[in-house]
Amino acid sequence: EAGVTQSPTHLIKTRGQQVTLRCSPISGHTSVYWYQQALGLGLQFLLWYDEGEERNRGNFPPRFSGRQFPNYSSELNVNALELEDSALYLCASRIGGHYSNQPQHFGDGTRLSIL
Amino acid sequence: AQSVTQPDIHITVSEGASLELRCNYSYGATPYLFWYVQSPGQGLQLLLKYFSGDTLVQGIKGFEAEFKRSQSSFNLRKPSVHWSDAAEYFCAVDDTGTASKLTFGTGTRLQVTL
Repeated sequence: EAGVTQSPTHLIKTRGQQVTLRCSPISGHTSVYWYQQALGLGLQFLLWYDEGEERNRGNFPPRFSGRQFPNYSSELNVNALELEDSALYLCASRIGGHYSNQPQHFGDGTRLSIL
Repeated sequence: AQSVTQPDIHITVSEGASLELRCNYSYGATPYLFWYVQSPGQGLQLLLKYFSGDTLVQGIKGFEAEFKRSQSSFNLRKPSVHWSDAAEYFCAVDDTGTASKLTFGTGTRLQVTL
């Protein structure tokens, strides 16, 4: 069974640019989560999508946005990139629905570097 | 708000020695608890999970963890560490009732000496 896949693996951008990161969940998983792992800041929750809807959002500015497609894959968009956006962006998927006592499974992440 | 504390930033153990990584949580109800491991340049791999029932849970790679409600702890243990266990370990709490996100501890980096 294929795990969570993320693309690209690495990305270099400059300040002010926009970026799109992609995530394909494990087959059968309808919930997708995005986390940011920045140096010194740890793992922080960004967004949660389930059944195509945004269900929860972490404490990030509106320039961080995303969506989930009918096949449950997801995109994370970041506009007006800033230096502090440099981080590893991790996607996780889970068998969906509220109150689901199932764990999240993570991809290998996209390493975003802002110059 | 819920929180997770991993008091040890860095631990060094000899190969073959036992290991215990500490995790304390702050949460009103009984939480869903997890341990994940991250090797350099990679994502997080689930080691084990606790939802309910038996407070001693077994995971992959020979790891186990014990949920102690009275101490609000969920410590990770392994009786004999292998050099390949060197990595960063994260304890996490699920926002039970909504399943909306994981709150992570700051991680413990494990170094294994030969």
